[in-house]
Amino acid sequence: DAGVTQSPTHLIKTRGQHVTLRCSPISGHKSVSWYQQVLGQGPQFIFQYYEKEERGRGNFPDRFSARQFPNYSSELNVNALLLGDSALYLCASSQRGSGSWETQYFGPGTRLLVL
Amino acid sequence: DQQVKQNSPSLSVQEGRISILNCDYTNSMFDYFLWYKKYPAEGPTFLISISSIKDKNEDGRFTVFLNKSAKHLSLHIVPSQPGDSAVYFCAANYGGATNKLIFGTGTLLAVQP
Repeated sequence: DAGVTQSPTHLIKTRGQHVTLRCSPISGHKSVSWYQQVLGQGPQFIFQYYEKEERGRGNFPDRFSARQFPNYSSELNVNALLLGDSALYLCASSQRGSGSWETQYFGPGTRLLVL
Repeated sequence: DQQVKQNSPSLSVQEGRISILNCDYTNSMFDYFLWYKKYPAEGPTFLISISSIKDKNEDGRFTVFLNKSAKHLSLHIVPSQPGDSAVYFCAANYGGATNKLIFGTGTLLAVQP
């Protein structure tokens, strides 16, 4: 079975530009979450979506937005890029997206470099 | 505030010996804990989890122990293999409407042949 897939794998942008990252969850999973991982830190929660609705949002500015499509795939958008947005962006999928004891499975990530 | 802490940035172990990775947490509402393994340039891979109603969970060479009174969990790998060399992240979740994972900063495990 295919795992979580993300595209692109790498991306280089300049400050002020916009970026769109894409994610396809594991088949049968209805929830997608996005995380940002900067060097030397653990992943930080950005968003969670379930059945196309936002279920949770982390402590990130409004420049970050996301959406989920009817096929449960998702996009993360970042506007007005800053140097500090350079990071590995991870997508994770899970079946229900809520309740206790649910495991999230991660994709390989998109490495974003902002120059 | 760091709700999940991994105080050892790195650990070196000989092949065949036991590796013990530690994690502390501060939020008593956490009810599910997970360990992920991460190689460079890859996403985290799920290893093993434990719910707050248990104190031990075992899967092959991997065992996770939970001490709720101390707010501490540990991952034991026996026997350690060179392929286990990676960064290990501890993560916690308190369920509810949002399935948000809180991660520690990771421990780099090096298993020496």
